[in-house]
Amino acid sequence: DVKVTQSSRYLVKRTGEKVFLECVQDMDHENMFWYRQDPGLGLRLIYFSYDVKMKEKGDIPEGYSVSREKKERFSLILESASTNQTSMYLCASRPTGTGGYGYTFGSGTRLTVV
Amino acid sequence: AQKVTQAQTEISVVEKEDVTLDCVYETRDTTYYLFWYKQPPSGELVFLIRRNSFDEQNEISGRYSWNFQKSTSSFNFTITASQVVDSAVYFCALSEAGIYNQGGKLIFGQGTELSVKP
Repeated sequence: DVKVTQSSRYLVKRTGEKVFLECVQDMDHENMFWYRQDPGLGLRLIYFSYDVKMKEKGDIPEGYSVSREKKERFSLILESASTNQTSMYLCASRPTGTGGYGYTFGSGTRLTVV
Repeated sequence: AQKVTQAQTEISVVEKEDVTLDCVYETRDTTYYLFWYKQPPSGELVFLIRRNSFDEQNEISGRYSWNFQKSTSSFNFTITASQVVDSAVYFCALSEAGIYNQGGKLIFGQGTELSVKP
């Protein structure tokens, strides 16, 4: 069964901490995405990557960075966590050239910054 | 730019009622894909349907049906004879197929929370 695995389901961090959210996919997908989900705002794209070491900003990149050193792993980094980054974070991946098919989502990480 | 709007934030119905969730989109591309996802209380996104921009045929799958109209840039979702298990947040999403959408990112609407009461 194909999978996108997010390392933590729930996470509590303190303001100012550096936070790493990890996402691993086992499908050899080229493209990976990080979304943030907030009530009434839907899922908003933070960053995405279409190849190893490649990254592109999404709609709300401020306060975040990403790392993709290996094809299967895409990390979201909160350099200095703030309370307004309390949210649900979803990782996704998809292969290139599938005509819109093949998106696979992780189960999400609910991050609370206190 | 691409944009998806789900104007209905919350809908509450009684079991067995029919309910339609609205989705309006904007895109500059002529080839694109539209999606509906369901997110139950467990939090996982469940894929429901994908439609490409060249296929305007309506689709029916059991109690679910979808009405795609390019003339009004809408892709509405109807649940017939709703059930309590249909209670969830539903998202409409768009992905452009052209060169401007490297990686094929999905753009989501704000979501509609459907509550079906017994």
